[in-house]
Amino acid sequence: DGGITQSPKYLFRKEGQNVTLSCEQNLNHDAMYWYRQDPGQGLRLIYYSQIVNDFQKGDIAEGYSVSREKKESFPLTVTSAQKNPTAFYLCASRSTPSSYNEQFFGPGTRLTVL
Amino acid sequence: AQSVTQPDIHITVSEGASLELRCNYSYGATPYLFWYVQSPGQGLQLLLKYFSGDTLVQGIKGFEAEFKRSQSSFNLRKPSVHWSDAAEYFCAVGSNDYKLSFGAGTTVTVRA
Repeated sequence: DGGITQSPKYLFRKEGQNVTLSCEQNLNHDAMYWYRQDPGQGLRLIYYSQIVNDFQKGDIAEGYSVSREKKESFPLTVTSAQKNPTAFYLCASRSTPSSYNEQFFGPGTRLTVL
Repeated sequence: AQSVTQPDIHITVSEGASLELRCNYSYGATPYLFWYVQSPGQGLQLLLKYFSGDTLVQGIKGFEAEFKRSQSSFNLRKPSVHWSDAAEYFCAVGSNDYKLSFGAGTTVTVRA
């Protein structure tokens, strides 16, 4: 089955530690996205990538980093510089960078900083 | 920059009753509009989308939405709600650079 997988589902980290969230898709989509979701705030865009080896900052990129070395993978690192990292993180992908169609979402990773 | 407002944070509806969720957007050009649904602890699922053409759009699970340019609205409706429709609903508007801006969401509770 084609889809987007995110791992782990739950992640706990101590303050001051970096942590990497995994996002893999086998939909052969070119574009991939990372969102952060907090209660009552909807989804906010962290980073996005329209093509391999290229990515852009979204609205709340500070304290986060990404890489896009392979088409199917777009890992997100939450660094110790992110002041309030506890949140639900969603990865999404879209088939064609230059035409309008919907984003498909993974099941999400809930990150808790202890 | 585009933005989306969902005026209702929480709606409670009886099973079998009709449901309408409001969405107002701000965008200078022709908008690309989406409604997504999210069950607790899950990702988002697309219900329907509007790009152009007929302003009444049919989606999955019996949902429909109507685009009204004069009111900058894209309200979601369902004639008869089922208990399984309890979830959080997000309206989103797309920009020319293919990014989405989401509203804060509306939580729907269905009572028996």
